[in-house]
Amino acid sequence: DAGVTQSPTHLIKTRGQHVTLRCSPISGHKSVSWYQQVLGQGPQFIFQYYEKEERGRGNFPDRFSARQFPNYSSELNVNALLLGDSALYLCASSPHGVDEQYFGPGTRLTVT
Amino acid sequence: GESVGLHLPTLSVQEGDNSIINCAYSNSASDYFIWYKQESGKGPQFIIDIRSNMDKRQGQRVTVLLNKTVKHLSLQIAATQPGDSAVYFCAEKGGQAGTALIFGKGTTLSVSS
Repeated sequence: DAGVTQSPTHLIKTRGQHVTLRCSPISGHKSVSWYQQVLGQGPQFIFQYYEKEERGRGNFPDRFSARQFPNYSSELNVNALLLGDSALYLCASSPHGVDEQYFGPGTRLTVT
Repeated sequence: GESVGLHLPTLSVQEGDNSIINCAYSNSASDYFIWYKQESGKGPQFIIDIRSNMDKRQGQRVTVLLNKTVKHLSLQIAATQPGDSAVYFCAEKGGQAGTALIFGKGTTLSVSS
């Protein structure tokens, strides 16, 4: 079975632009979570979606938003990009909740 | 606030040795913990999880121990191999209504042959 997939793999954006990152969960998984990982640190929670509804939100500004589609795939949107948004953005899926979360390979975002 | 930390940022072992990676957590109400392995340029890879109603859980070459009295978690890797070299993170269920995994900073395991 395919694991969690994310696109694109890498992305370079300019300050002030917006970006959309995409995630497809493992087949049968209904929960998708997004994390930001800066170099040298552990992933930091951004959002959790389950059955297309936001179930949890981390300490990130309103520039960050997400949604989950009927097929359980998800998008993370970031507006008005800042240099500090440069990071690896990870998507994780699980059957429900956060138990047994499996991560995708991530999208490396560089903001210049 | 909630936080998950690791005792040592780096651990160096010889191939064939047993490795022990430690983690301290602060939220005594946490009821679920996971260990991940992250290789350079890749996403975290699920290793093993444990619920708070257990003290020990074993997988293939790995064992997780949970000591709720001192809020301590450890990952034991038997017969460590060069392919085990990576950053290891422990994480606990937390956030609002337990909707997030809270990660520590990670321990870098280096295995020399």
